[in-house]
Amino acid sequence: EPEVTQTPSHQVTQMGQEVILRCVPISNHLYFYWYRQILGQKVEFLVSFYNNEISEKSEIFDDQFSVERPDGSNFTLKIRSTKLEDSAMYFCASDTGLNSPLHFGNGTRLTVT
Amino acid sequence: RKEVEQDPGPFNVPEGATVAFNCTYSNSASQSFFWYRQDCRKEPKLLMSVYSSGNEDGRFTAQLNRASQYISLLIRDSKLSDSATYLCVVRRSGTASKLTFGTGTRLQVTL
Repeated sequence: EPEVTQTPSHQVTQMGQEVILRCVPISNHLYFYWYRQILGQKVEFLVSFYNNEISEKSEIFDDQFSVERPDGSNFTLKIRSTKLEDSAMYFCASDTGLNSPLHFGNGTRLTVT
Repeated sequence: RKEVEQDPGPFNVPEGATVAFNCTYSNSASQSFFWYRQDCRKEPKLLMSVYSSGNEDGRFTAQLNRASQYISLLIRDSKLSDSATYLCVVRRSGTASKLTFGTGTRLQVTL
């Protein structure tokens, strides 16, 4: 079964540094998403992306965040200047649209020290 | 009021028991409904979509009451491997609309 893959599985960075989290969505999917989950809390929506532009973003997704699809396969989330409170699991997801269920990647655990 | 509310549990049940989880949602524009399962520090995995007429998948039965904005999940004959957190998830209509997650209900099945 095709999968959404994410790298790295764990990223440790110092406060103020930039990080890029990478995702390879399922190949025939057209809609891409980033979610995050702070330890012990619920899964929260960050951003959705379609046709090379952001479709929707949450209030969490401020100017420090950006997304990009630099080629035909990768979908990245960049945090420009990380804060301690950015420490969380970041999940990439994709779907075919039309309210189909989302398929999630196995996540990147980001630890900001 | 939270968009999606669930009892956080934990529900501790013996193997073979039947257990039910409930969920309420506040946005009447919600159109799609799902139950996801999440194991500790893993990604959410789709357990089943929830349809208006109710639907069953093996030991799992999901029901939706749009009038009451209420969703349920019933697990029959619980297995040790069912131990996980069960996430109630709703989605507005429209392509690429976001999923809204509940906080999840933790289930622990014991011998």
